[in-house]
Amino acid sequence: AQSVTQLDSHVSVSEGTPVLLRCNYSSSYSPSLFWYVQHPNKGLQLLLKYTSAATLVKGINGFEAEFKKSETSFHLTKPSAHMSDAAEYFCVVTLTGGGNKLTFGTGTQLKVEL
Amino acid sequence: NAGVTQTPKFQVLKTGQSMTLQCAQDMNHEYMSWYRQDPGMGLRLIHYSVGAGITDQGEVPNGYNVSRSTTEDFPLRLLSAAPSQTSVYFCASSLSRTASGNTIYFGEGSWLTVV
Repeated sequence: AQSVTQLDSHVSVSEGTPVLLRCNYSSSYSPSLFWYVQHPNKGLQLLLKYTSAATLVKGINGFEAEFKKSETSFHLTKPSAHMSDAAEYFCVVTLTGGGNKLTFGTGTQLKVEL
Repeated sequence: NAGVTQTPKFQVLKTGQSMTLQCAQDMNHEYMSWYRQDPGMGLRLIHYSVGAGITDQGEVPNGYNVSRSTTEDFPLRLLSAAPSQTSVYFCASSLSRTASGNTIYFGEGSWLTVV
């Protein structure tokens, strides 16, 4: 079985300050982990993915995430928030080699203030 | 490069009506799936298909039917719509079911309201 927990339903930051969106996962086997972003009334766009290669993964728009097996975490970070980053972010887990059944977190709404 | 295309984008149905949400992908992907998104619940898998002629149930299949007659198309049917099916629906596809870490591509969503 696999599950993912996004620890914050809402995060608010000021423009230019760092962003941290937290995600913990549970998986019996080697997981693949993803972060997706959803802008209002839009579909989901892949930000980055971890698939058992480098533990620090760089994605689009300056985002990155670090896979920490000992902490079962895959937190998403960005050094400096931009207004255009305001969106909902989903942490997603799937089992490596176990098919593409995705398990989604409940989402974190990121608000960026001036 | 169209990717995953869903239609319609918005639909209002009356309770008991039927309708089909269309999904098409032009990437020759084997794996296609339908999700529904409800507030505070993330996305939940309704049905999926690992190839033409093969479908299976996901987490929340009740009230929905699917078929996969071609690689490209994966329609989702609501046979008798209920207010509980008011949601945003996403179609997704990926290259292969078994390869690890395949990127999943999503359509832009279909907003369905059942009154």
